[in-house]
Amino acid sequence: KNQVEQSPQSLIILEGKNCTLQCNYTVSPFSNLRWYKQDTGRGPVSLTIMTFSENTKSNGRYTATLDADTKQSSLHITASQLSDSASYICVVSAFTSGTYKYIFGTGTRLKVLA
Amino acid sequence: EADIYQTPRYLVIGTGKKITLECSQTMGHDKMYWYQQDPGMELHLIHYSYGVNSTEKGDLSSESTVSRIRTEHFPLTLESARPSHTSQYLCASSDRGRGGRETQYFGPGTRLLVL
Repeated sequence: KNQVEQSPQSLIILEGKNCTLQCNYTVSPFSNLRWYKQDTGRGPVSLTIMTFSENTKSNGRYTATLDADTKQSSLHITASQLSDSASYICVVSAFTSGTYKYIFGTGTRLKVLA
Repeated sequence: EADIYQTPRYLVIGTGKKITLECSQTMGHDKMYWYQQDPGMELHLIHYSYGVNSTEKGDLSSESTVSRIRTEHFPLTLESARPSHTSQYLCASSDRGRGGRETQYFGPGTRLLVL
């Protein structure tokens, strides 16, 4: 069964600190892995996308890594800001029968405190 | 910021009313999706379309229906709203992508409350 699991479920950190969010998946056949940021009451916004051959991708203070062998990904946030408070969703897509299927994780809720 | 729009953003309505949630995108994407998301929970696919006159049910059973008469427009309708329909509804569209990089773009969502 295709699954995406994220940890921790929630996280509270102080402004300026770094943090790392985890994503483990069992999705086949793997096509790509994307991290989204979702502010409360808004739609998800893409942060990074990685295909099988990529093991790291950065977007400003966000750096995602992918280990396709262990089927793990992480999202590292550097020098956190209050605006980083949001849910971070890991989404893995599988390409099968000529179409993409998206498997969503339950997300990690990050709260950054002043 | 993606060019995908949803209206209304918020809707409070009584039980038994018929409602239509609007979704439109100006990116010319063939594929469009509707997701349902309860607070703090994951997104669940309820409908999708791969083009005009194409609609399919998603993984989560839903009493809603959709139509796709125009490429840019993918409305969702509830014939008789019930409190169990209270949720956030997210519309998305996706491009063709290259090299395995098909990307979904999400609208801002509609938060529905049925009393």
